[in-house]
Amino acid sequence: DGGITQSPKYLFRKEGQNVTLSCEQNLNHDAMYWYRQDPGQGLRLIYYSQIVNDFQKGDIAEGYSVSREKKESFPLTVTSAQKNPTAFYLCASRGARQRQPQHFGDGTRLSIL
Amino acid sequence: AQKITQTQPGMFVQEKEAVTLDCTYDTSDPSYGLFWYKQPSSGEMIFLIYQGSYDQQNATEGRYSLNFQKARKSANLVISASQLGDSAMYFCAMREGLKAGGTSYGKLTFGQGTILTVHP
Repeated sequence: DGGITQSPKYLFRKEGQNVTLSCEQNLNHDAMYWYRQDPGQGLRLIYYSQIVNDFQKGDIAEGYSVSREKKESFPLTVTSAQKNPTAFYLCASRGARQRQPQHFGDGTRLSIL
Repeated sequence: AQKITQTQPGMFVQEKEAVTLDCTYDTSDPSYGLFWYKQPSSGEMIFLIYQGSYDQQNATEGRYSLNFQKARKSANLVISASQLGDSAMYFCAMREGLKAGGTSYGKLTFGQGTILTVHP
């Protein structure tokens, strides 16, 4: 079945540590997105990529980095510069047609140790 | 200014009754799309329904329908015959910058969400 796989489901970060969240899709979508969700809040866009080897900052990119070396993969690194990383992170992808919705993975919950 | 506003933090409905979840939006772009997603407590985002700004009719998908009032910039979600499994967080989202007849990679802007609780 086609879909988006995020791993791990739960992740813990120590002070000063960088951690990487994985996002893989087999939907053959060009566009991929990373969102952050805080408790009881909506989703805020961190980074997005429309094509391989290209990505743009979203609304809250500070303290995060991404890469897009393959169409299927869009990993997100939460760096030590992100002082409040505890949140739920959602990855999404989308095809090119206007009416197509974004399809989401099941998310990764990141906490600080 | 908020681009998507959901004014109801929480809503309660009796099983088998209908419920309306409000969403207003703000854009100066004539070409846009509006989406509703459901997020159960497990966290995944489930797409429910889409309305394009040029669509002539209100969108419907099974028990979900969209009350689209373009002049008022509102896109309220109506859930008919509520079920216990409908209890979840519901998000309204907008994509701007669509090209007529073309494709768009535009990003989504989400509202704050409404928590719906269905009582038996």
